[in-house]
Amino acid sequence: QVQLQESGPGLVEPSGTLSLTCAVSGDSISSDSWWSWVRQPPGKGLEWIAEIHHSGITHYNPSLRSRVTISMDNCRNHFSLTLTSVTAADTAVYYCARNGPFSPGEYWGQGTLVTVSS
Amino acid sequence: QSALTQPPSASGSPGQSVTISCTGTSSDVVGYNYVSWYQQHPGKAPKLMIYEVSKRPSGVPDRFSGSKSGNTASLTVSGLQAEDEADYYCSSYGGSNIFYVFGAGTKVTVL
Repeated sequence: QVQLQESGPGLVEPSGTLSLTCAVSGDSISSDSWWSWVRQPPGKGLEWIAEIHHSGITHYNPSLRSRVTISMDNCRNHFSLTLTSVTAADTAVYYCARNGPFSPGEYWGQGTLVTVSS
Repeated sequence: QSALTQPPSASGSPGQSVTISCTGTSSDVVGYNYVSWYQQHPGKAPKLMIYEVSKRPSGVPDRFSGSKSGNTASLTVSGLQAEDEADYYCSSYGGSNIFYVFGAGTKVTVL
């Protein structure tokens, strides 16, 4: 069974950098799957952030492209998210997921709340 | 503002059916048969219920069905049960510039 677990700081200062890691078990991130990050501000809807394939191909939400980097570590079987120049608007629960067929999330992590505040 | 339009709420009595709409554009819903639906209970991660407009992942009851006509996709939940009370989000692939967009979500209440 595929399982994903997010980890990273729960609090980031404004203008700082948000960094999260998603540990994957039950599947290899080197498999022919896409891996995504999705976020959800408190009380609001879902927003797709980015996806990555083991081939190194990455895709980004155009509205976040200038601040986001997604990467993967095949040896550790995890992938990561970096979001720079954060503001309060970036406060959200961040989910990592393994995509389904043209769907940004067939298997999901439990999510981790990141708050941007001083 | 969300790229896909969903009604904020829908409701039905146990055993009845409820249908949720998801309206998009030629750049997403119309252009691709890649509409997905997610169920989310409070404090939980989303769960994929429908992909590629009408396909159900293994383990999803056949009470859940999806369809599409023109620029509107729909999710129908038949034989409503108490555990179906949740938020439902649609998503569509939007091509190599947009990739994935979500609707704002619909809260389904079982009366």
